[in-house]
Amino acid sequence: SQTIHQWPATLVQPVGSPLSLECTVEGTSNPNLYWYRQAAGRGLQLLFYSVGIGQISSEVPQNLSASRPQDRQFILSSKKLLLSDSGFYLCAWANLSSYNEQFFGPGTRLTVL
Amino acid sequence: KNQVEQSPQSLIILEGKNCTLQCNYTVSPFSNLRWYKQDTGRGPVSLTIMTFSENTKSNGRYTATLDADTKQSSLHITASQLSDSASYICVGYGANNLFFGTGTRLTVIP
Repeated sequence: SQTIHQWPATLVQPVGSPLSLECTVEGTSNPNLYWYRQAAGRGLQLLFYSVGIGQISSEVPQNLSASRPQDRQFILSSKKLLLSDSGFYLCAWANLSSYNEQFFGPGTRLTVL
Repeated sequence: KNQVEQSPQSLIILEGKNCTLQCNYTVSPFSNLRWYKQDTGRGPVSLTIMTFSENTKSNGRYTATLDADTKQSSLHITASQLSDSASYICVGYGANNLFFGTGTRLTVIP
């Protein structure tokens, strides 16, 4: 069966510090991978998606970036965090199908102080 | 404009009671609609996925309905349990894009 992992689970970082969040998927190959941010009281916002190694599409301009160094690894990064980067970050995977059903990871709670 | 709207924003019910959550969507072209359950501090978990040709789909005590003509969906929870306390998110899928509602926060009290 497929599983998706995210770490860390929680993170508190000062403004201006770098960020690296990691997501890995097991039990599937060549998945589509996604990074979302969920702000309090708001719907999920798609940040990045990837259809393959090294292929990243950005949905929203921001000071975040994403990379996919391996088939089942997706990394969200920032060189300098802003207060507005605080939120709940979710990674998801999907296999190509007409449903495009997405399966979400446990999430990372990021607080920027 | 593609969007998904949910109501109510929050709901409190007594354990054992039934409830219905609403979702209105304007997604074009429309492929399918899904309902997710998200426990506090966790990732969303899929409950149901329905295409435009499906009117109803059940998953245990959860029953989702879809009216493609009025572009409305509902999620009915039967005999609620304390563990049903969560946010329920409606998501429309079309043209390779997902459109998320802001969710309904359900609290089940003893």
